[in-house]
Amino acid sequence: GNSVTQMEGPVTLSEEAFLTINCTYTATGYPSLFWYVQYPGEGLQLLLKATKADDKGSNKGFEATYRKETTSFHLEKGSVQVSDSAVYFCALSDRGSTLGRLYFGRGTQLTVWP
Amino acid sequence: GAGVSQSPSNKVTEKGKDVELRCDPISGHTALYWYRQRLGQGLEFLIYFQGNSAPDKSGLPSDRFSAERTGESVSTLTIQRTQQEDSAVYLCASTPDPGRSMNTEAFFGQGTRLTVV
Repeated sequence: GNSVTQMEGPVTLSEEAFLTINCTYTATGYPSLFWYVQYPGEGLQLLLKATKADDKGSNKGFEATYRKETTSFHLEKGSVQVSDSAVYFCALSDRGSTLGRLYFGRGTQLTVWP
Repeated sequence: GAGVSQSPSNKVTEKGKDVELRCDPISGHTALYWYRQRLGQGLEFLIYFQGNSAPDKSGLPSDRFSAERTGESVSTLTIQRTQQEDSAVYLCASTPDPGRSMNTEAFFGQGTRLTVV
């Protein structure tokens, strides 16, 4: 079946530190991979995505590369800001299952201190 | 509307009572999804509506859960005889026709936090 495992939090960093949030997946088909972010008091919103192996998604300084050989989609940012404090969710969509249905990891709470 | 709207934002109910949660998707989005997020867990898929097709109810956890949607408009999720384990945040998302692209971004509402006491 389909599943996503992501690094447990919470993660606490100082401003300008390097961020990595690990995400690995299991899929029956050829998934697309996503990172969603939930800022305090807001709904989930798409941060970035990658639709095939070796694709790199990027947005707002965040990057993640679709690695089929390691079934991973780790989220990275070179220098975090206080405004990046949020919960981050790794997710996949598999064309073999309900169209558009997303399989989510448990989420990782990130707190960035000034 | 400008985004996916859910109501109420918070609901406290007594065990055994029925509750109804509402989702108003983005205008023109044919697909609508309900998810549940229990404390410390990832989002669990509950149900999917696509246009006038039969919904995919495969994620509903029990027959106490049901959902309706008329056409491409508002959806309601109903939980009958609520139990404490139903306490969670219920999230609704909508997308344009996913049949055209499974990579289409899902737009989420802010959720309804349900507490069963």
